[in-house]
Amino acid sequence: GENVEQHPSTLSVQEGDSAVIKCTYSDSASNYFPWYKQELGKRPQLIIDIRSNVGEKKDQRIAVTLNKTAKHFSLHITETQPEDSAVYFCAAHFTGTYKYIFGTGTRLKVLA
Amino acid sequence: DSGVTQTPKHLITATGQRVTLRCSPRSGDLSVYWYQQSLDQGLQFLIQYYNGEERAKGNILERFSAQQFPDLHSELNLSSLELGDSALYFCASSAQTGQGETQYFGPGTRLLVL
Repeated sequence: GENVEQHPSTLSVQEGDSAVIKCTYSDSASNYFPWYKQELGKRPQLIIDIRSNVGEKKDQRIAVTLNKTAKHFSLHITETQPEDSAVYFCAAHFTGTYKYIFGTGTRLKVLA
Repeated sequence: DSGVTQTPKHLITATGQRVTLRCSPRSGDLSVYWYQQSLDQGLQFLIQYYNGEERAKGNILERFSAQQFPDLHSELNLSSLELGDSALYFCASSAQTGQGETQYFGPGTRLLVL
């Protein structure tokens, strides 16, 4: 069945350091991989996404890489700031069933 | 503001009761998705509608049902409520389905079952 695994579940970094969150997905037919940031009690907000025909995408301090062969994708945040502290979710869109399956989330803490 | 609206924002009810959550998608979006998020948990996909038709089903309980109306708004009905149904319920919308599109989330409805 469709599955997305996300690691680590918690991550603490010093302000200015980089943070990396990794996800793996089960179905090679998946074609779209968004990342969401969710602050406490608020809606998930899209921060970056990547499609299966692209290996890497960058937006300022945020980048996502995709390895289709290994079926994993990663979120990279550079020069972290305290406001980056939140829960981050990866997701994968499964083309056969139209489902979006989310990872279990990573709680990122950026220590000042 | 994502353009997706959900009502009510908060709902407090008792076990055994039935509630209806409402979602209005962004203008022009044909797909609506429902998710359940329990405390400190991830987003559990419940169900998706596309242009009025059910398109995908996730881990939705038989006590739960949903529909999408001709004006594209959607309702999620939760019946015979249990304490464990207390959660944040998010609706999301996207332009179409099949190719993988950006989902835009509403602010959520926080349900508390006492």
